Amino acid sequence: AQSVTQLDSQVPVFEEAPVELRCNYSSSVSVYLFWYVQYPNQGLQLLLKYLSGSTLVESINGFEAEFNKSQTSFHLRKPSVHISDTAEYFCAVSGGSEKLVFGKGTKLTVNP
Amino acid sequence: EAGVAQSPRYKIIEKRQSVAFWCNPISGHATLYWYQQILGQGPKLLIQFQNNGVVDDSQLPKDRFSAERLKGVDSTLKIQPAKLEDSAVYLCASSSRTSGGYEQYFGPGTRLTVT
Repeated sequence: AQSVTQLDSQVPVFEEAPVELRCNYSSSVSVYLFWYVQYPNQGLQLLLKYLSGSTLVESINGFEAEFNKSQTSFHLRKPSVHISDTAEYFCAVSGGSEKLVFGKGTKLTVNP
Repeated sequence: EAGVAQSPRYKIIEKRQSVAFWCNPISGHATLYWYQQILGQGPKLLIQFQNNGVVDDSQLPKDRFSAERLKGVDSTLKIQPAKLEDSAVYLCASSSRTSGGYEQYFGPGTRLTVT
Protein backbone atom coordinates (compact mmCIF):
# COMPACT_ATOMS: atom_id res chain seq x y z
CA ALA A 1 0.00 0.00 0.00
CA GLN A 2 1.10 3.55 -0.67
CA SER A 3 0.90 6.61 1.54
CA VAL A 4 1.83 10.27 1.18
CA THR A 5 2.90 12.77 3.81
CA GLN A 6 2.86 16.48 3.11
CA LEU A 7 4.85 17.97 5.90
CA ASP A 8 3.38 21.47 5.87
CA SER A 9 -0.33 22.19 5.95
CA GLN A 10 0.15 25.91 5.26
CA VAL A 11 3.02 27.85 3.67
CA PRO A 12 2.86 31.66 3.58
CA VAL A 13 5.43 33.46 1.43
CA PHE A 14 5.96 36.87 -0.08
CA GLU A 15 5.66 37.49 -3.79
CA GLU A 16 8.88 36.79 -5.76
CA ALA A 17 10.29 34.66 -2.93
CA PRO A 18 11.29 31.03 -3.51
CA VAL A 19 9.12 28.25 -2.14
CA GLU A 20 9.42 24.54 -1.44
CA LEU A 21 6.45 22.31 -0.67
CA ARG A 22 7.55 19.03 0.85
CA CYS A 23 6.21 15.59 0.00
CA ASN A 24 7.36 12.20 1.24
CA TYR A 25 5.86 8.90 0.17
CA SER A 26 5.85 5.31 1.27
CA SER A 27 5.54 2.41 -1.13
CA SER A 28 6.71 -1.15 -1.45
CA VAL A 29 6.66 -1.01 -5.25
CA SER A 30 7.88 1.30 -7.97
CA VAL A 31 5.86 4.48 -8.02
CA TYR A 32 4.55 7.21 -10.20
CA LEU A 33 4.39 10.62 -8.50
CA PHE A 34 2.20 13.62 -9.14
CA TRP A 35 1.56 17.16 -7.98
CA TYR A 36 -1.94 18.55 -8.41
CA VAL A 37 -3.07 22.14 -7.79
CA GLN A 38 -6.54 23.19 -6.65
CA TYR A 39 -7.64 26.80 -6.99
CA PRO A 40 -10.61 27.94 -4.87
CA ASN A 41 -13.92 26.33 -5.89
CA GLN A 42 -12.27 24.40 -8.71
CA GLY A 43 -11.30 20.80 -9.33
CA LEU A 44 -7.76 19.50 -9.23
CA GLN A 45 -5.41 20.20 -12.13
CA LEU A 46 -2.29 18.21 -12.85
CA LEU A 47 0.80 20.36 -12.29
CA LEU A 48 3.53 17.83 -13.08
CA LYS A 49 4.27 14.12 -12.93
CA TYR A 50 7.14 11.69 -12.63
CA LEU A 51 6.70 8.38 -14.43
CA SER A 52 10.25 7.42 -15.37
CA GLY A 53 13.45 8.84 -16.81
CA SER A 54 14.85 12.16 -15.61
CA THR A 55 14.27 12.65 -11.91
CA LEU A 56 13.72 16.40 -12.36
CA VAL A 57 10.37 17.31 -13.88
CA GLU A 58 9.08 20.75 -14.74
CA SER A 59 5.73 22.40 -15.29
CA ILE A 60 4.90 25.08 -17.84
CA ASN A 61 4.44 27.74 -15.14
CA GLY A 62 7.84 27.50 -13.50
CA PHE A 63 7.35 24.79 -10.88
CA GLU A 64 9.69 21.83 -10.69
CA ALA A 65 9.91 18.68 -8.60
CA GLU A 66 12.69 16.19 -8.09
CA PHE A 67 12.15 12.49 -7.49
CA ASN A 68 14.57 11.29 -4.81
CA LYS A 69 14.27 7.54 -4.43
CA SER A 70 16.71 7.22 -1.53
CA GLN A 71 14.85 9.81 0.53
CA THR A 72 11.42 8.79 -0.85
CA SER A 73 10.65 12.42 -1.56
CA PHE A 74 9.12 14.46 -4.36
CA HIS A 75 9.38 18.08 -3.19
CA LEU A 76 7.87 20.87 -5.27
CA ARG A 77 9.84 24.07 -5.80
CA LYS A 78 9.51 27.41 -7.53
CA PRO A 79 12.30 30.02 -7.50
CA SER A 80 9.96 33.03 -7.58
CA VAL A 81 6.25 32.85 -6.78
CA HIS A 82 3.41 35.08 -7.95
CA ILE A 83 0.15 36.07 -6.29
CA SER A 84 -1.61 33.82 -8.79
CA ASP A 85 0.18 30.77 -7.36
CA THR A 86 -1.99 31.00 -4.26
CA ALA A 87 -3.78 27.66 -4.13
CA GLU A 88 -3.76 24.27 -2.44
CA TYR A 89 -1.22 21.77 -3.69
CA PHE A 90 -1.62 18.01 -3.40
CA CYS A 91 1.07 15.38 -3.78
CA ALA A 92 -0.12 11.97 -4.97
CA VAL A 93 1.40 8.55 -5.55
CA SER A 94 0.40 5.61 -7.71
CA GLY A 95 1.80 2.13 -7.47
CA GLY A 96 1.02 1.46 -11.10
CA SER A 97 -2.61 0.44 -10.72
CA GLU A 98 -3.94 3.87 -11.78
CA LYS A 99 -5.22 4.33 -8.23
CA LEU A 100 -3.98 7.62 -6.75
CA VAL A 101 -3.30 8.12 -3.05
CA PHE A 102 -3.24 11.79 -2.09
CA GLY A 103 -1.59 13.68 0.72
CA LYS A 104 -3.57 16.08 2.89
CA GLY A 105 -2.50 19.09 0.88
CA THR A 106 -0.47 22.25 1.46
CA LYS A 107 -2.11 25.66 1.25
CA LEU A 108 0.27 28.09 -0.38
CA THR A 109 -0.53 31.74 0.26
CA VAL A 110 1.49 34.33 -1.65
CA ASN A 111 1.37 37.76 -0.05
CA PRO A 112 2.22 41.05 -1.79
CA GLU B 1 -11.93 19.01 -25.81
CA ALA B 2 -14.60 19.30 -23.16
CA GLY B 3 -13.55 18.53 -19.60
CA VAL B 4 -15.19 16.37 -16.96
CA ALA B 5 -18.70 17.65 -16.21
CA GLN B 6 -20.40 17.32 -12.84
CA SER B 7 -23.76 18.36 -11.50
CA PRO B 8 -25.03 19.79 -9.32
CA ARG B 9 -22.22 22.04 -8.11
CA TYR B 10 -23.76 22.51 -4.68
CA LYS B 11 -26.30 20.55 -2.68
CA ILE B 12 -27.70 21.02 0.82
CA ILE B 13 -29.78 18.25 2.37
CA GLU B 14 -30.88 17.14 5.79
CA LYS B 15 -29.51 14.01 7.40
CA ARG B 16 -31.32 10.81 6.46
CA GLN B 17 -32.29 12.26 3.07
CA SER B 18 -30.94 10.85 -0.19
CA VAL B 19 -28.87 12.61 -2.84
CA ALA B 20 -27.41 11.79 -6.25
CA PHE B 21 -24.49 13.25 -8.16
CA TRP B 22 -23.87 12.98 -11.88
CA CYS B 23 -20.61 12.87 -13.81
CA ASN B 24 -19.85 12.89 -17.53
CA PRO B 25 -16.19 12.05 -18.21
CA ILE B 26 -14.02 13.22 -21.07
CA SER B 27 -15.09 11.55 -24.30
CA GLY B 28 -13.23 8.32 -24.88
CA HIS B 29 -11.91 7.95 -21.34
CA ALA B 30 -12.52 4.38 -20.22
CA THR B 31 -11.66 4.85 -16.56
CA LEU B 32 -13.85 6.89 -14.21
CA TYR B 33 -13.24 7.66 -10.54
CA TRP B 34 -15.30 9.09 -7.69
CA TYR B 35 -13.42 10.75 -4.83
CA GLN B 36 -14.57 12.20 -1.52
CA GLN B 37 -12.69 15.26 -0.30
CA ILE B 38 -13.45 16.23 3.29
CA LEU B 39 -12.44 19.73 4.34
CA GLY B 40 -8.76 19.82 5.25
CA GLN B 41 -7.95 16.47 3.68
CA GLY B 42 -6.84 15.14 0.35
CA PRO B 43 -9.22 13.34 -1.98
CA LYS B 44 -10.02 9.75 -1.07
CA LEU B 45 -10.97 7.26 -3.76
CA LEU B 46 -14.47 5.86 -3.33
CA ILE B 47 -14.85 3.83 -6.51
CA GLN B 48 -13.07 3.23 -9.81
CA PHE B 49 -14.77 2.03 -12.99
CA GLN B 50 -13.14 0.59 -16.10
CA ASN B 51 -15.78 1.02 -18.80
CA ASN B 52 -18.92 -0.16 -16.96
CA GLY B 53 -17.18 -2.57 -14.59
CA VAL B 54 -16.01 -1.85 -11.03
CA VAL B 55 -12.23 -2.08 -10.55
CA ASP B 56 -11.97 -0.90 -6.95
CA ASP B 57 -14.71 -0.05 -4.46
CA SER B 58 -12.85 -1.05 -1.31
CA GLN B 59 -13.36 2.34 0.36
CA LEU B 60 -17.00 2.83 -0.65
CA PRO B 61 -19.37 2.65 2.37
CA LYS B 62 -21.67 0.21 0.67
CA ASP B 63 -24.38 0.37 3.31
CA ARG B 64 -25.26 3.89 2.16
CA PHE B 65 -23.28 4.71 -0.98
CA SER B 66 -23.87 3.27 -4.43
CA ALA B 67 -22.54 4.09 -7.88
CA GLU B 68 -23.22 2.97 -11.38
CA ARG B 69 -21.89 3.48 -14.89
CA LEU B 70 -24.39 1.55 -16.93
CA LYS B 71 -23.31 2.35 -20.48
CA GLY B 72 -19.64 2.88 -19.75
CA VAL B 73 -19.92 6.65 -20.19
CA ASP B 74 -21.56 8.83 -17.55
CA SER B 75 -21.93 7.82 -13.93
CA THR B 76 -24.12 8.47 -10.90
CA LEU B 77 -23.09 8.37 -7.24
CA LYS B 78 -25.89 8.07 -4.68
CA ILE B 79 -25.99 8.44 -0.91
CA GLN B 80 -28.98 7.04 0.95
CA PRO B 81 -29.45 7.90 3.76
CA ALA B 82 -26.99 10.76 4.24
CA LYS B 83 -25.15 11.37 7.50
CA LEU B 84 -23.57 14.55 8.81
CA GLU B 85 -20.09 13.13 8.16
CA ASP B 86 -20.89 12.83 4.45
CA SER B 87 -20.46 16.60 4.12
CA ALA B 88 -17.63 16.92 1.61
CA VAL B 89 -16.77 17.73 -1.98
CA TYR B 90 -17.37 14.81 -4.32
CA LEU B 91 -14.96 14.82 -7.22
CA CYS B 92 -15.25 12.86 -10.42
CA ALA B 93 -12.20 12.16 -12.56
CA SER B 94 -11.48 10.25 -15.74
CA SER B 95 -8.39 8.90 -17.43
CA SER B 96 -7.14 7.11 -20.47
CA ARG B 97 -3.85 5.31 -20.85
CA THR B 98 -3.44 6.97 -24.21
CA SER B 99 -3.51 10.41 -22.55
CA GLY B 100 0.00 10.11 -21.22
CA GLY B 101 0.07 7.49 -18.58
CA TYR B 102 -2.17 7.56 -15.56
CA GLU B 103 -3.05 11.25 -15.72
CA GLN B 104 -6.46 11.84 -14.18
CA TYR B 105 -8.62 14.78 -15.25
CA PHE B 106 -10.90 16.15 -12.54
CA GLY B 107 -14.28 17.81 -12.70
CA PRO B 108 -15.16 20.89 -10.60
CA GLY B 109 -16.78 18.78 -7.89
CA THR B 110 -20.10 18.80 -6.05
CA ARG B 111 -20.06 20.38 -2.60
CA LEU B 112 -22.49 18.50 -0.33
CA THR B 113 -23.62 19.94 2.98
CA VAL B 114 -25.63 17.65 5.27
CA THR B 115 -27.46 19.47 8.07
